[in-house]
Amino acid sequence: AQSVTQLDSQVPVFEEAPVELRCNYSSSVSVYLFWYVQYPNQGLQLLLKYLSGSTLVESINGFEAEFNKSQTSFHLRKPSVHISDTAEYFCAVTGGGSYIPTFGRGTSLIVHP
Amino acid sequence: KAGVTQTPRYLIKTRGQQVTLSCSPISGHRSVSWYQQTPGQGLQFLFEYFSETQRNKGNFPGRFSGRQFSNSRSEMNVSTLELGDSALYLCASSRGRGDSPLHFGNGTRLTVT
Repeated sequence: AQSVTQLDSQVPVFEEAPVELRCNYSSSVSVYLFWYVQYPNQGLQLLLKYLSGSTLVESINGFEAEFNKSQTSFHLRKPSVHISDTAEYFCAVTGGGSYIPTFGRGTSLIVHP
Repeated sequence: KAGVTQTPRYLIKTRGQQVTLSCSPISGHRSVSWYQQTPGQGLQFLFEYFSETQRNKGNFPGRFSGRQFSNSRSEMNVSTLELGDSALYLCASSRGRGDSPLHFGNGTRLTVT
């Protein structure tokens, strides 16, 4: 069975600073990778996904993630964060015979002014 | 395109009662999944329905059940409520493939007193 590890439960950062949220998964077989964001009192929203092709994927609001097969990682980065990026971020993986995503425990990104 | 709709948004129930939650998926999505979200346990998968059939089930007791109708709308039922059932219940719809991202509703906040 797949497992997903988000190494940091909470990441505090100042506005306009860069940030990296880490995600590692267990299986080395063909996988699909997702990052979701959850704002307070809302459900999760898809931020970006890796299905195939270029290992660097980008979202419309400046986030990017790089698929690293050898390190089984899919870290999320943003070069300059805004207060509005404060939210919970979840990494998820499907594949390896399963189409039900396995979610990480989430990372709370807290952006301070 | 209308998003995933969950009703009601908030519920307060007494221990021992039962509750039914409703989810209307995105048009064209045949897969509906249910998740329980709590601060201590994170996101936990309850079950997934695809074309009116339960296709996958998580590790929850039989008090948790669900069904899906021919129009893909889904309901989740919890009988004999316990205090520990207090949580945010999230419904997500998708095309039901490994490369299909989930589209979440805003959830139903259930409080058991």
